This record gives sequence, C-alpha cells and structure tokens, in this order.
Amino acid sequence: QVQLQESGPGLVKPSETLSLTCTVSGGSISTYYWSWIRQPPGKGLEWIGYIYYSGSTNYNPSLKSRVTISLDTSKNQFSLKLSSVTAADTAVFYCARHGRSGWEPRWYFDLWGRGTLVTVSS
Amino acid sequence: DIQMTQSPSSVSASVGDRVTITCRASQGIGSWLAWYQQKPGKAPKLLIYPASSLQSGVPSRFSGSGSGADFTLTISNLQPEDFATYYCQQANSFPPYTFGQGTKLEIK
Repeated sequence: QVQLQESGPGLVKPSETLSLTCTVSGGSISTYYWSWIRQPPGKGLEWIGYIYYSGSTNYNPSLKSRVTISLDTSKNQFSLKLSSVTAADTAVFYCARHGRSGWEPRWYFDLWGRGTLVTVSS
Repeated sequence: DIQMTQSPSSVSASVGDRVTITCRASQGIGSWLAWYQQKPGKAPKLLIYPASSLQSGVPSRFSGSGSGADFTLTISNLQPEDFATYYCQQANSFPPYTFGQGTKLEIK
C-alpha cells in the first residue's frame, strides 16, 4: 500500500532554512494533491501548503512568505522549504495526501506520514 | 480564514460510556468536514469524511453528524483504544484548511 516517509535534519539553527522531503512509496505521486502539515509540541495541527503533481501550489497565508513546496516526480518525492526559522517553528512536520472522489480532489487528508520532529535551536 | 472551534477541550469518560465532541465552523462549510483521531507520538488517522461518512475500517461505534457550521462526533461504547485526541478539519474547497484545537479524551 501507499506509504509516506518524511526525511530531513532534526535540528535547524535560527534564521536558517528548514528543508524536508517526503518520499511516496507503493504508489505514484501523480494525480494527487500533497500537503505539509505541522504540529508544535503539545499543540494542534496547522496546514502549511499543498502541491499538485502538475506543480501548482497553494500556501497558508500565515506562512506564505517563507514557504516553498516543490516536487520531483522522477523520484516520487515532494519537498518543503521554510526560511528564516525561529523557535516558534519547532514542530513535528507531517506530509499527507489529499483524498479524492474519482478523479476530483477532496480537501481532507487520507494518508499521513509518521512525522518528523524539527527543532529550531542554536 | 474559517475558524474551527471544538468543545470540550478535554473530557474524561469510562470504558463503555458514550461521548460527544462538538465542532463549530466560523462560517458554513456544507458537509465538508473531516474528523481525525491522534494517539501520542502518532500521525492523525482519518475517521470520518464528509461529516457523517465513516471511513473504511473505522468501527461503527464512531459516528458523525451535522452540516453548515455545527458538527458532532459521537463515540458509543468507548473502548480502551479510543482514548486519544480528536480533531475536526474544515475541508471546504478554499484553503487554508484549518483544524479545531483538539479534544483530548481521557480515561476516568
């Protein structure tokens, strides 16, 4: 079955850029929307943004100025870059797949990676 | 942005009890609402989407209802594995896709 796996550094220094990759295995990245979601320790969930396999993106306005999501269909991966990080960006980052009804996208998340903790600290 | 407000923030219950969690959207979202269950250290798991449709494999003791701006998640005959945090999420077509703050279901 399809599985998602996040990877990337667990520690990032303040003011630097956080970079994470999500690898999709057991299925194709094509024809789905893919999102990044984060969860600060002990807190709730925040949607960061999505990318479609065509490359189109949409970002949460609260993070838009610092976020870039890209994908590499040849590797079945999509990636997140979050610039100018501060301690407030410390969180577990999840990659997730949007649901679908037939070929139409739906805006919920039916498949999640296990998550990866990124700590922002000097 | 559409704000999602859950109540209560936490609830204590016993095995066998029935629990209801409420989620209110700041504007109408039709039936475009999802419910997730999250256990400590794990990713959220989709339970219900849209508002009243149980996902495959989810026990029938879970049920969802509502439309417009007011929604509920009900868990009947609570089982030990149901103690977790539950989140609602508005899945309207326009982002950002926002979540409720979560409801922690604890064992009494």
